[in-house]
Amino acid sequence: EVQLVESGGGLVQPGGSLRLSCAASGFTFSSCWMGWVRQTPGKGLEWVANIDQDGSEKYYVDSVKGRFTISRDNAKNSLYLEMNGLRADDTGVYYCARRGVVTVFDHWGQGILVTVSS
Amino acid sequence: EILMTQSPATLSVSPGEGATLSCRASQSVNSNLAWYQQKPGQAPRLLIYGASTRATGIPAGFSGSGSGTEFTLTISSLQSEDFAVYYCQQYNNWPLTFGGGTKVEI
Repeated sequence: EVQLVESGGGLVQPGGSLRLSCAASGFTFSSCWMGWVRQTPGKGLEWVANIDQDGSEKYYVDSVKGRFTISRDNAKNSLYLEMNGLRADDTGVYYCARRGVVTVFDHWGQGILVTVSS
Repeated sequence: EILMTQSPATLSVSPGEGATLSCRASQSVNSNLAWYQQKPGQAPRLLIYGASTRATGIPAGFSGSGSGTEFTLTISSLQSEDFAVYYCQQYNNWPLTFGGGTKVEI
């Protein structure tokens, strides 16, 4: 069974940093593109970033470019999202998702809440 | 960026009735369109990809159609577990974009 479990969320002040992690199991992690999607009060569901199987290709939504970094460790079956320069509008639930062979997000984690507030 | 517009925002339906949800793209996405279902407190669940292919385990009561800029999700006979929010998403171009959702309520 595919499982994706996020961790690392919480409350952070504007301008602060957080690192989200996603532990993957039940599939060959190193064979799959992975991504982060967030759900915010202001924008609903918003794709954040994707990374290819070996980490050589990365794509970001414009609003996080230069502030967020997606990465992975295939030896640990883990996906990461390093978030710097956090703003109030980054507040939301962040989902780790697997991009399956049909190139859509076919499995999602349960989500982790990130709150940016002073 | 491709803008995805869903209508209506809310759809009120009685159990056993059918429902038709619409999704429009601001430019062609070919057939690279997915539909997701989200229930309160849960992550989205993939229903349809390639505009019309049901994902694994999705009942036949869900069907998708369309290509280019106009897409439809049809639920043939609503069961209690189908009342949820439905999102479309295009994956033809970066950035990937989602519609604002249609809430299907009783």
